[in-house]
Amino acid sequence: NAGVMQNPRHLVRRRGQEARLRCSPMKGHSHVYWYRQLPEEGLKFMVYLQKENIIDESGMPKERFSAEFPKEGPSILRIQQVVRGDSAAYFCASLPPYGGMNTEAFFGQGTRLTVV
Amino acid sequence: AQKITQTQPGMFVQEKEAVTLDCTYDTSDPSYGLFWYKQPSSGEMIFLIYQGSYDQQNATEGRYSLNFQKARKSANLVISASQLGDSAMYFCAMREIQGAQKLVFGQGTRLTINP
Repeated sequence: NAGVMQNPRHLVRRRGQEARLRCSPMKGHSHVYWYRQLPEEGLKFMVYLQKENIIDESGMPKERFSAEFPKEGPSILRIQQVVRGDSAAYFCASLPPYGGMNTEAFFGQGTRLTVV
Repeated sequence: AQKITQTQPGMFVQEKEAVTLDCTYDTSDPSYGLFWYKQPSSGEMIFLIYQGSYDQQNATEGRYSLNFQKARKSANLVISASQLGDSAMYFCAMREIQGAQKLVFGQGTRLTINP
């Protein structure tokens, strides 16, 4: 959905560098999901964020990965000291603050991270 | 435990035929929502249809309908009169009211429509 903006669309990093992926949710949305997708696989849940609060990070690797959603500005997924296995598409989805069970999550176009 | 299971890695269908994509789910939560998303080769995720656990009728959206069988915990997507543009990956997803209401996806089914 054009309303959720992710940048960059493509990111190339050398092993050991840091990757910062940005997600600007739809206007009025205060909840953000991050997902990782390997080729020919489904979307794996990573983290669920509300502004200034992490709601569920059960899908985040314990090391090197972190996420934030500050009061102002986009949500950031940060991967430190990237390795080849981090190469994947990373999707962000946003929800409004008071959405019910039937609330559609709107997805961004994704960021394709390639670690060389 | 796998929450969402899509048992068909790939499906091949002739244009204009109807196709059913399978999805079974596992939850003890009485309240949940089921979603289907389409992912074309361009990569974006497109919402197709939603079914709530308390909905009495099967959801329909244009050529898409959801065959919801609650007792069997299945939520199959039916696409009628398939078109070449329907070729894509299709993902079933579930959100439970318990916990953080995170949206959990199945592995997906790659649908190919043949002319």
